[in-house]
Amino acid sequence: GEDVEQSLFLSVREGDSSVINCTYTDSSSTYLYWYKQEPGAGLQLLTYIFSNMDMKQDQRLTVLLNKKDKHLSLRIADTQTGDSAIYFCAESMGGSQGNLIFGKGTKLSVKP
Amino acid sequence: GAVVSQHPSWVICKSGTSVKIECRSLDFQATTMFWYRQFPKQSLMLMATSNEGSKATYEQGVEKDKFLINHASLTLSTLTVTSAHPEDSSFYICSARGVLAGGPYEQYFGPGTRLTVT
Repeated sequence: GEDVEQSLFLSVREGDSSVINCTYTDSSSTYLYWYKQEPGAGLQLLTYIFSNMDMKQDQRLTVLLNKKDKHLSLRIADTQTGDSAIYFCAESMGGSQGNLIFGKGTKLSVKP
Repeated sequence: GAVVSQHPSWVICKSGTSVKIECRSLDFQATTMFWYRQFPKQSLMLMATSNEGSKATYEQGVEKDKFLINHASLTLSTLTVTSAHPEDSSFYICSARGVLAGGPYEQYFGPGTRLTVT
């Protein structure tokens, strides 16, 4: 079956690195995504990674994919208070046109 | 990046009335649009998928006669909650899938509509 798991909460201090973890169950997932949701707002696509990649870096964001363990992580360097939000991991099995399966989201709190 | 708008952003209605929510892709053509429902502190639940000009495909457990979806054009989809009840109160989010020039297909989300039924 399809299932995406995330821890629900993460708290870090401003300036530290944040690492948000996600596990998925379907090994046929082709695309994996990270979305950010600020309070009362929709989802903002942060980044995505193809299943044939191990790592993708985009400015302060680093995505690591371990296909063997079906584990995905998002690292935010130099975390700022503006990064406080809920972060959703999602998998897409039918290529980029497949429906997204979301995790429950990790609430990141950044303390000054 | 791609922009998806939703209107209204917040609506309060009385039980028994119908509410229409619009979702527009502003700078790209959306081949497919999705409607999600999000309960407090929970993930997004896919309600239905619609392709322009054809009937929507509803997920199991979603009443198609209650949640009417119309995808009239490549830039507009509407969700009508008919005969709304307090249990329909929720945050409704649409997303649109399309391709920006030179890029892959991606799914972009609207800002959401908070529906409160009294």
